Amino acid sequence: AQSVTQLGSHVSVSEGALVLLRCNYSSSVPPYLFWYVQYPNQGLQLLLKYTTGATLVKGINGFEAEFKKSETSFHLTKPSAHMSDAAEYFCAVSNAGGTSYGKLTFGQGTILTVHP
Amino acid sequence: KAGVTQTPRYLIKTRGQQVTLSCSPISGHRSVSWYQQTPGQGLQFLFEYFSETQRNKGNFPGRFSGRQFSNSRSEMNVSTLELGDSALYLCASSFGNEQFFGPGTRLTVL
Repeated sequence: AQSVTQLGSHVSVSEGALVLLRCNYSSSVPPYLFWYVQYPNQGLQLLLKYTTGATLVKGINGFEAEFKKSETSFHLTKPSAHMSDAAEYFCAVSNAGGTSYGKLTFGQGTILTVHP
Repeated sequence: KAGVTQTPRYLIKTRGQQVTLSCSPISGHRSVSWYQQTPGQGLQFLFEYFSETQRNKGNFPGRFSGRQFSNSRSEMNVSTLELGDSALYLCASSFGNEQFFGPGTRLTVL
């Protein structure tokens, strides 16, 4: 079984400040890890993903995340927050390989607020 | 390419009724997954279809069912609706290990 824990259901930062959204996962098999963003009344948009290879992955809109196997973490960061980053962010995990790509297990989400 | 489309976008039903939601995947994608999103339970996996066969299933009662057609379009059905079925239902299509989500269908059960 897999699970995802996102630490902090709400994170508030000032515009221009560092954004750090925390995600820890549990998986008995090598995981694929994802970060999605959801704006109000919309579906989910993929920010970035880790499958294999380089553990520091870069995504869209200046976001990046680092896969740390020893810490079972996949935290999302952005050096400088922008007002348009205000949204809800979801960390997700799926099994690497096999037929489990289509089943994502999500964390509870973190709402990011950006203050002027 | 056009993205994932879901119809209808909004739906209001009453308890005991049934409902069918539709999802058209991105052209060439053969896998379609469904998720339920509620404020209390978050995003939960319902099921996944690949080449017209259910490949993975989440922990939902039998009232929730789905199917996939030969053109990869998918439908999900919820019978005997309950108030707790009110949610945003998201469909995602995938090619390889990345899922692309549609805008969702907002179901309200009165």
